[in-house]
Amino acid sequence: DGGITQSPKYLFRKEGQNVTLSCEQNLNHDAMYWYRQDPGQGLRLIYYSQIVNDFQKGDIAEGYSVSREKKESFPLTVTSAQKNPTAFYLCASSISTNSYNEQFFGPGTRLTVL
Amino acid sequence: DQQVKQNSPSLSVQEGRISILNCDYTNSMFDYFLWYKKYPAEGPTFLISISSIKDKNEDGRFTVFLNKSAKHLSLHIVPSQPGDSAVYFCSLSSGSARQLTFGSGTQLTVLP
Repeated sequence: DGGITQSPKYLFRKEGQNVTLSCEQNLNHDAMYWYRQDPGQGLRLIYYSQIVNDFQKGDIAEGYSVSREKKESFPLTVTSAQKNPTAFYLCASSISTNSYNEQFFGPGTRLTVL
Repeated sequence: DQQVKQNSPSLSVQEGRISILNCDYTNSMFDYFLWYKKYPAEGPTFLISISSIKDKNEDGRFTVFLNKSAKHLSLHIVPSQPGDSAVYFCSLSSGSARQLTFGSGTQLTVLP
């Protein structure tokens, strides 16, 4: 049963703390992405990775960091430098970036900063 | 500077009638266009797509139309069903990594 898993579903963080969101896929996809959704807005790209050990900043990378040590995993760290971290975070993957492919999304993690 | 606009935040349609969701874009670099459907507290699910070399793609009850000269994309759902009630996002692909740029979404409510 292939898919993308994100954990945890809900996460609470105190202001000033770093927190890491997990994203795992068993679809054998090369490319992975992190998006952020705020109320009434579309998804905005934070970081993406086309291949293991390589990743690129998206439109709103400030205050975030990622790693891609394994093909299956693309964790996102929300650092204390992110000014407005409360949001719904979505991870996605696609087969490759060599042709047009839809992105498959995980169920999301809702992060709340207290 | 919104590159992708969905100007209708919400749309209500009677069951069995046609739903038309619209999307406008400004950047001619977009070359692949997708529609996603999203339920609350879940990730979006892919619905239908179209490449820039086509002007129509149909899949069952769903048809996507692309008007490149007007930079306009639309999704037609016919007949609409109550289970179609969700937020619909248009998303446009560009760049070497096929990054997606999303519109703000339209909440579709299909009334029984």
